[in-house]
Amino acid sequence: QSVLTQPPSVSGAPGQRVTISCTGSSSNIGAGFDVHWYQQLPGTAPKVLIYGNTNRPSGVPDRFSGSKSGTSASLAITGLQAEDEADYYCQSYDNNVSGWVFGGGTKLTVL
Amino acid sequence: QVTLKESGPALVKPRQTLTLTCTFSGFSLSTSEMRVIWIRQPPGKALEWLARIDWDDYKVYTTSLKTRLTISKDTSKNQVVLTMTNMDPVDTATYYCARIRGWSSSWFFDYWGQGTLVTVSS
Repeated sequence: QSVLTQPPSVSGAPGQRVTISCTGSSSNIGAGFDVHWYQQLPGTAPKVLIYGNTNRPSGVPDRFSGSKSGTSASLAITGLQAEDEADYYCQSYDNNVSGWVFGGGTKLTVL
Repeated sequence: QVTLKESGPALVKPRQTLTLTCTFSGFSLSTSEMRVIWIRQPPGKALEWLARIDWDDYKVYTTSLKTRLTISKDTSKNQVVLTMTNMDPVDTATYYCARIRGWSSSWFFDYWGQGTLVTVSS
């Protein structure tokens, strides 16, 4: 049971928009800690996609965007492409466990 | 260019001690505000942080594994070493090292190693 809750899977057709939610609590996201998102392509290490809730590292397409409100955050992907098929994880910090916490991961399938 | 690479045994027996080395380049752990973390991922499961070490040798461990973990650094070799004692089959996972960036309410992991799969089996 992960501290941050994500849907196990989402799917969409090429060109569509999908969102992935990340629900936390008052000890992590709600406490003001930022949310970060990682993309993990099959058989590879995670790669940071969004940091500080809304910021994209250089090289990440602007099709990817992040938002945060209250105790939740969301990752939006527009103009879905086949290469976006991957697992996505949210990450934050939690006061109760005094450490970093991850969501359980969401598998994105491009139909 | 920042790179990190994990190395260590692919197979360990139950109750043995695991030693993993993270060799990195492109930054120095003697530089202020530099930090490295170990994270693991059991097959098909989510990510879990294990231990962190800072430029000033400050160390933090995840509570559930604190008694079994030791993290250290060799600044001259650009290496961070993680040891985990009393290995169990449930510790089978891919182990990653990563660099920590950001600020106190917003630390994230900007560069990751490729990961090394460790299987615990007799």
